[in-house]
Amino acid sequence: EMQVLESGGDLVQPGGSLRLSCAASGFTFNSHTMCWVRQAPGKGLEWVSSISGSDETTYYADSVRGRFTISRDNSKNTLYLQMDGLRAEDTAIYYCAREATYQLLSATFYYFDSWGQGTLVTVSS
Amino acid sequence: DIQLTQSPASLSASVGDRVTITCRASQTINAYLNWYQQKPGKAPKLLIYAGSSLQRGVPFRFSGSISGTECTLTISSLQPEDFAVYFCQQCHTTPWTFGQGTKVEI
Repeated sequence: EMQVLESGGDLVQPGGSLRLSCAASGFTFNSHTMCWVRQAPGKGLEWVSSISGSDETTYYADSVRGRFTISRDNSKNTLYLQMDGLRAEDTAIYYCAREATYQLLSATFYYFDSWGQGTLVTVSS
Repeated sequence: DIQLTQSPASLSASVGDRVTITCRASQTINAYLNWYQQKPGKAPKLLIYAGSSLQRGVPFRFSGSISGTECTLTISSLQPEDFAVYFCQQCHTTPWTFGQGTKVEI
């Protein structure tokens, strides 16, 4: 059974740093793009960042570009999110998710088919 | 970025009711639309991908459809375990974006 498990969430002061980890199991980790999605308290979902499995190409939301760095260690089946310059508006539950693809003729569809339980990041003085 | 607007924001329903949630995109996204269910304190769970494909293990009472820029999630007969928040998400153009959610309550 595929599973992802986040860790590393904590209370941090504005301007501080934090590194989240996501341990994956039950699937071929290096074959999948992995993502971080966050949810502020009582709010909706926001895609944060993705990293491809093969060439490790990275993608970021405008709200975090230049402050957050996504990376992965395929030998450890682990995904990371280094968060620097944290702001109050970064307070959220951060979910690790596997991105799956579905091919139909010439179209490729993407979706998040496996999510972790989330880890809470609180940015406050 | 593609904006997704869900309606209604919340609805009250009873067990056995047919429930329909709509997600309207700011531009044509064809079938590049997914639906998730989230229960309190839990991670989102994939229900529907590619507009109308049912994720493995999801009950057949859930279905999705697409018409132009409007996408619909239908629960044919609401069950007690279906009371939750439902989100749509587009995978047509990065950045992937989500609707604001629809809360289904008693």
